[in-house]
Amino acid sequence: DAKTTQPTSMDCAEGRAANLPCNHSTISGNEYVYWYRQIHSQGPQYIIHGLKNNETNEMASLIITEDRKSSTLILPHATLRDTAVYYCIVSDSGSARQLTFGSGTQLTVLP
Amino acid sequence: DAGITQSPRHKVTETGTPVTLRCHQTENHRYMYWYRQDPGHGLRLIHYSYGVKDTDKGEVSDGYSVSRSKTEDFLLTLESATSSQTSVYFCAIKAGPSYEQYFGPGTRLTVT
Repeated sequence: DAKTTQPTSMDCAEGRAANLPCNHSTISGNEYVYWYRQIHSQGPQYIIHGLKNNETNEMASLIITEDRKSSTLILPHATLRDTAVYYCIVSDSGSARQLTFGSGTQLTVLP
Repeated sequence: DAGITQSPRHKVTETGTPVTLRCHQTENHRYMYWYRQDPGHGLRLIHYSYGVKDTDKGEVSDGYSVSRSKTEDFLLTLESATSSQTSVYFCAIKAGPSYEQYFGPGTRLTVT
């Protein structure tokens, strides 16, 4: 799987959009970009994924650059409950291959 | 939550004793995974299964064995627990249109 690079930590004011960047310059054509988050002591939670098009669901939006070498997860109106470690993972989807979790970004939403 | 439960949720055991952790899913997913999470290491794969009686090793499989005799249960066994196996253990299944993974609530294991 391609390697990803994320900032170690970010702060965001409550109610504002949180934009979490991820670089994945070695991504290959069949690899998806997945985002997960982990709230302290809980299991990781799937957020969203995409291949090349931008995606949106009830939790977040995912913007993938045209060359697919980077992406941004957007939480449109961050709340205190969004404070978590956010992981950007690149993987192909169709095999039994596990996800490789890096260090992620610690997002702290400030009141 | 994809119907994943883990048991026990917390366990304290002594060095040298065998321990079995259970992961149970209710939706007949083919792929199941065991991860451990330690400070400074993130999540690391121990073993995974791609069907009944079909399992394979992950990156940190030494000291662990697994079994999957039916689709819904994936068991992780520490044959002789050591203090280095003190960790939080997460089970996951692979589901959804692009095989995203869904995680259980975790088991906190302490080996004294």
